[in-house]
Amino acid sequence: EAGVVQSPRYKIIEKKQPVAFWCNPISGHNTLYWYRQNLGQGPELLIRYENEEAVDDSQLPKDRFSAERLKGVDSTLKIQPAELGDSAVYLCASSWPWGVETQYFGPGTRLLVL
Amino acid sequence: GQQVMQIPQYQHVQEGEDFTTYCNSSTTLSNIQWYKQRPGGHPVFLIQLVKSGEVKKQKRLTFQFGEAKKNSSLHITATQTTDVGTYFCACRGGGSNYKLTFGKGTLLTVNP
Repeated sequence: EAGVVQSPRYKIIEKKQPVAFWCNPISGHNTLYWYRQNLGQGPELLIRYENEEAVDDSQLPKDRFSAERLKGVDSTLKIQPAELGDSAVYLCASSWPWGVETQYFGPGTRLLVL
Repeated sequence: GQQVMQIPQYQHVQEGEDFTTYCNSSTTLSNIQWYKQRPGGHPVFLIQLVKSGEVKKQKRLTFQFGEAKKNSSLHITATQTTDVGTYFCACRGGGSNYKLTFGKGTLLTVNP
């Protein structure tokens, strides 16, 4: 079974530039999460999807961040414009929406904003 | 909002020594999960605890959920170099607060 796929793995951009991250969850996982992990910290939830619906986006900085999951499978997280403080690892995770709800994390995208 | 505290932040041990990390929540939890993240890697699910006072074991790892469902611990017996990494607890609130909140983690290093 393939795991959660994310791309790109690394991204370096200058501040004020846009950036986008892509995630393909494990096949059949209805629930998809985007997290941000700063150095030395735990993952912080940005947004959670149940199929196509964003059911929790309370932590998403909506002035510059946006996300979509149009067909209930792949998802894209965008930052526009990026700020220096956005440098972090952006993790995507997926899970079944019932039972133990184990979250399977992708390898993450390491973003550096200069 | 829900506050999650993990201690210690760092722990360095000699191989063969035991290790324990503690997780405390400001609110009563529905359940708690533990994850391990190797250096440069991503979090990997270890276990979920649901019941008050629950104890689960995975080989040398012992997980415990407090009676009040507000704290938990992870104990590793006789650490090995393969145990190196950051251990996170992830707390799920009760009632309408069903979000999973991660602690800051405990970084374990093991000297061979």
